[in-house]
Amino acid sequence: GENVEQHPSTLSVQEGDSAVIKCTYSDSASNYFPWYKQELGKRPQLIIDIRSNVGEKKDQRIAVTLNKTAKHFSLHITETQPEDSAVYFCAASSARQLTFGSGTQLTVLP
Amino acid sequence: GAVVSQHPSRVICKSGTSVKIECRSLDFQATTMFWYRQFPKQSLMLMATSNEGSKATYEQGVEKDKFLINHASLTLSTLTVTSAHPEDSSFYICSATSGTDVYEQYFGPGTRLTVT
Repeated sequence: GENVEQHPSTLSVQEGDSAVIKCTYSDSASNYFPWYKQELGKRPQLIIDIRSNVGEKKDQRIAVTLNKTAKHFSLHITETQPEDSAVYFCAASSARQLTFGSGTQLTVLP
Repeated sequence: GAVVSQHPSRVICKSGTSVKIECRSLDFQATTMFWYRQFPKQSLMLMATSNEGSKATYEQGVEKDKFLINHASLTLSTLTVTSAHPEDSSFYICSATSGTDVYEQYFGPGTRLTVT
């Protein structure tokens, strides 16, 4: 089955700096790669996703890049704000099932 | 649109009892529903996938006789934890996909189960 690895597990940045989280996946059949933000005790919130026919996607301060050859994808958050502090999960989907990465605790220091 | 609800949001039960969690798609018909379990400071782990009117498909290591899933309609799936034990205490989250996009999953708010 699919295996998704996510790094780093924790990330602290100063407000206004950029944050980058990286994921790799194992199943070359995976074709949908969402990123979720989860606050404590809440549901995962989709912040951006990318499909295998696209290499990069941007939505305001958030961007995702996908390298299907290398089987890795990354989340980039620019101009970070304290409200960006949360746990971020990447995921990969093959056969419509999501496999999640282990999560990254992002802390944005004011 | 694409709202998923769960009930209850929190439940405390005694060891050995059973508890049922409901997952509803409020404004769309859910072709497929998923059940996840999330332990503190860990990721979401898929427990099972269910399609309306069919038996659920369980992930390896998930006991189907302990975690009973019923997907009786296109808007409702239930997860029953039978003979609950303290190690079943966790955050249970459901999600659903609609017919318009088979990939994007809409998540419920989760149910915090505590078994004493």
